[in-house]
Amino acid sequence: GENVEQHPSTLSVQEGDSAVIKCTYSDSASNYFPWYKQELGKRPQLIIDIRSNVGEKKDQRIAVTLNKTAKHFSLHITETQPEDSAVYFCAALDTGRRALTFGSGTRLQVQP
Amino acid sequence: NAGVMQNPRHLVRRRGQEARLRCSPMKGHSHVYWYRQLPEEGLKFMVYLQKENIIDESGMPKERFSAEFPKEGPSILRIQQVVRGDSAAYFCASSPAGGVYEQYFGPGTRLTVT
Repeated sequence: GENVEQHPSTLSVQEGDSAVIKCTYSDSASNYFPWYKQELGKRPQLIIDIRSNVGEKKDQRIAVTLNKTAKHFSLHITETQPEDSAVYFCAALDTGRRALTFGSGTRLQVQP
Repeated sequence: NAGVMQNPRHLVRRRGQEARLRCSPMKGHSHVYWYRQLPEEGLKFMVYLQKENIIDESGMPKERFSAEFPKEGPSILRIQQVVRGDSAAYFCASSPAGGVYEQYFGPGTRLTVT
């Protein structure tokens, strides 16, 4: 089955700086890669996703890049704000299971 | 458009009791997924259901756990004879018919076993 590794596990940045979170996956057949933001005690919220037929997708301050050859994808947040502080999870669609396999999460802290 | 609904939000059970967790998908969604999240960990897939069908239960423990999604009503995740290790947040997600892509999560049920 699919295996997703995510790093770093914690990331602290100053307000206004950029943050980058990286994930690798194992199943070359995976074709969908969402990112979720989870605030303490809340539900995971889908913030951006990318499919394997594109290399990059951007939505305002958030962008995701995908390198299918290397089997890794990254989340980029520019001009970080304190409200960006949360745990971020990457995931890959496990085509065998038809369900998402999640990374272990990155706790992002944006210092004002 | 109401999102994914889960109830109860918090559930306390003593060891050996049964826990029933309910999930109503978003309007128009016919695929339901259950995930478990242990404290300070990521989400682990448990089971994927469509109306009246279990599509994939490979992430579900073999004993004590069962799930259903009847023709009418919410999806139910049932845990029999709960043990302390079952304490976790249980999230369900739904996606529209035709694909398993965008999954939207409910607020979760936090199960505490005492």
